[in-house]
Amino acid sequence: NAGVTQTPKFRILKIGQSMTLQCTQDMNHNYMYWYRQDPGMGLKLIYYSVGAGITDKGEVPNGYNVSRSTTEDFPLRLELAAPSQTSVYFCASSIPGGGTEAFFGQGTRLTVV
Amino acid sequence: GDSVTQMEGPVTLSEEAFLTINCTYTATGYPSLFWYVQYPGEGLQLLLKATKADDKGSNKGFEATYRKETTSFHLEKGSVQVSDSAVYFCALILQGGSEKLVFGKGTKLTVNP
Repeated sequence: NAGVTQTPKFRILKIGQSMTLQCTQDMNHNYMYWYRQDPGMGLKLIYYSVGAGITDKGEVPNGYNVSRSTTEDFPLRLELAAPSQTSVYFCASSIPGGGTEAFFGQGTRLTVV
Repeated sequence: GDSVTQMEGPVTLSEEAFLTINCTYTATGYPSLFWYVQYPGEGLQLLLKATKADDKGSNKGFEATYRKETTSFHLEKGSVQVSDSAVYFCALILQGGSEKLVFGKGTKLTVNP
């Protein structure tokens, strides 16, 4: 099983450019999450989804958009990239129940210059 | 809101030393508690978990006990190894709640030979 796959692994953007971070999982998990991890900091939740067609904001949603048209895919869109969005982005998935494990992708390291 | 507070790092220990990383939480409902570990350049992976009060999670020599009375979930290991060098995150998710996985800021552990 591939688990949670994120692409690309690295990306450099110029200020004002847009891009989509891809996340796909093959475990048929209902729940999916996007986090950002800034240097020396913990993970901050950007958006999450409890199923196809349902998304909700996390702690730091400004500057980002998401969609969930299928169970497998949960892309994160950055519009008008800013230096403050330089970070490592992690996608994760889990099943409902509250006591189950979340599985993480390897991360996307994004630099905005 | 729901939150997790971890002891400030970084923590540097010699091999075979005893490890404790403190974690306390605030939750609006009944949480499940987790410790995740992040090795350099990788995503997070589950280390251990506990879903009800007085449960003890354990894995790879690490242990943590869910203490409802002190709202704590401290991570311990009796004898650390160089290979335990990583960043450790305490996290919670509300059972039957929003399904948002909330992380602490992480504690970086370095074990020297």
